[in-house]
Amino acid sequence: AQSVTQLGSHVSVSEGALVLLRCNYSSSVPPYLFWYVQYPNQGLQLLLKYTSAATLVKGINGFEAEFKKSETSFHLTKPSAHMSDAAEYFCAVSEWSNYQLIWGAGTKLIIKP
Amino acid sequence: KAGVTQTPRYLIKTRGQQVTLSCSPISGHRSVSWYQQTPGQGLQFLFEYFSETQRNKGNFPGRFSGRQFSNSRSEMNVSTLELGDSALYLCASRSDSNTGELFFGEGSRLTVL
Repeated sequence: AQSVTQLGSHVSVSEGALVLLRCNYSSSVPPYLFWYVQYPNQGLQLLLKYTSAATLVKGINGFEAEFKKSETSFHLTKPSAHMSDAAEYFCAVSEWSNYQLIWGAGTKLIIKP
Repeated sequence: KAGVTQTPRYLIKTRGQQVTLSCSPISGHRSVSWYQQTPGQGLQFLFEYFSETQRNKGNFPGRFSGRQFSNSRSEMNVSTLELGDSALYLCASRSDSNTGELFFGEGSRLTVL
C-alpha cells in the first residue's frame, strides 16, 4: 500500500521568497497525485493534480509541482510567496486498486512579512 | 454547479450525547467520503459510500456510522460522544470517472464539552 511523506510540519518563508513544500510517495508510481490547500476553518481545495500527461503540473494561485519518478517525489513550488498563501497544504496519492486517496500529514506554510 | 454542502457548520455537544452531520454532494456524484480532522491526528478517513452502500471503511470504533440515501446525500452519526471526538468533520464527493479527485465541503466543526 502507498504511503505519503511530507517533510516538515511547518515551513516558514518570507514574503516574496521561494516556496518549496516536499512530498514523497512510497512505492510504485501511483495513478494520480494531488496537492490540496486548506485555509483556516475551511475544507480542502484542489491546487493541482498529476495525471501522467506532463511531469510539470501548473495549478491555481501560481503554484506548480514536478513529478520525479526517480526520486518518488512530487514537490510543490511557488516562485514568490504572498501573505495570502499562508495555509495548510496536503499531498495525496491515489491507490490503483480503488482510487482511494492516501494523505500526507500536511505542512503549515507560514509567511513572514 | 453547486459544491459540496455540509450542515451544520458548527455545533456543541456534551459527552454522552449523539450527533448527526449531513452532507449533500455535487450533483451527479455518487461517492461520498467522510474524514475526521484533528490537530494531532491530521486527516483520518472514516468511510466512503457509493450508491447507498458502504464501499470502504477506516479504523474507527462502531460509535461512528454513516448512511447514504438514494439521492446521494449522506449522513454520519456519532453516538456516545467523547471529548476526543471534537474535530472538524469533512465530507467529500467524487465523480465516477475514477481520477480519485475529491471535492470537499467546508466541514462541520464539532466541539464536545
